[in-house]
Amino acid sequence: NAGVMQNPRHLVRRRGQEARLRCSPMKGHSHVYWYRQLPEEGLKFMVYLQKENIIDESGMPKERFSAEFPKEGPSILRIQQVVRGDSAAYFCASSPGSRRVRVTEAFFGQGTRLTVV
Amino acid sequence: QQQVKQSPQSLIVQKGGISIINCAYENTAFDYFPWYQQFPGKGPALLIAIRPDVSEKKEGRFTISFNKSAKQFSLHIMDSQPGDSATYFCAANRIDPSQGNLIFGKGTKLSVKP
Repeated sequence: NAGVMQNPRHLVRRRGQEARLRCSPMKGHSHVYWYRQLPEEGLKFMVYLQKENIIDESGMPKERFSAEFPKEGPSILRIQQVVRGDSAAYFCASSPGSRRVRVTEAFFGQGTRLTVV
Repeated sequence: QQQVKQSPQSLIVQKGGISIINCAYENTAFDYFPWYQQFPGKGPALLIAIRPDVSEKKEGRFTISFNKSAKQFSLHIMDSQPGDSATYFCAANRIDPSQGNLIFGKGTKLSVKP
């Protein structure tokens, strides 16, 4: 029973390139959350998705960032034209597909560490 | 309103001692308060959680104390061990199920000395 899988674990991009981060939720989970963690900081919520729907994107920067969770395949967090300030650890969490079970039972992946050079 | 304030930023405890980490919040809409443990290079792992209808919850060496009137909650680690050395995050979640996100504190780096 695999946990939340994120890949790649480490990603290096030059300024101006695109970064694609992938998250496969736990089996049976249909809710996905993306968080960003800067060094020595807590996790900051970015976006909450269900299959084919964005439920809450209040934490997403208005430009360059987008997220999707298609019917088939992993959730993708896409950062276009990366800048040095995008360097951070990006964590994905998933939870079961019931409105009665919220993020309270979310499980986190090991994260993708993005370095922009 | 949406912040969760956590202290101290770092903590050094001798083996066998008690580690205490405190958090405070403003938003009365929060109804779930978990604590997460994170080791270097790993994702956060849920440690223990409490709802505001109880004042204390204990699981093994870990206890959450909750003070609803003061809007504060704390994590106590009894008989702290070197293996407990990690960063601990408190968090809070709102009542509205469409608001799925957790609000995290900035973390406390705990070092337990042998």
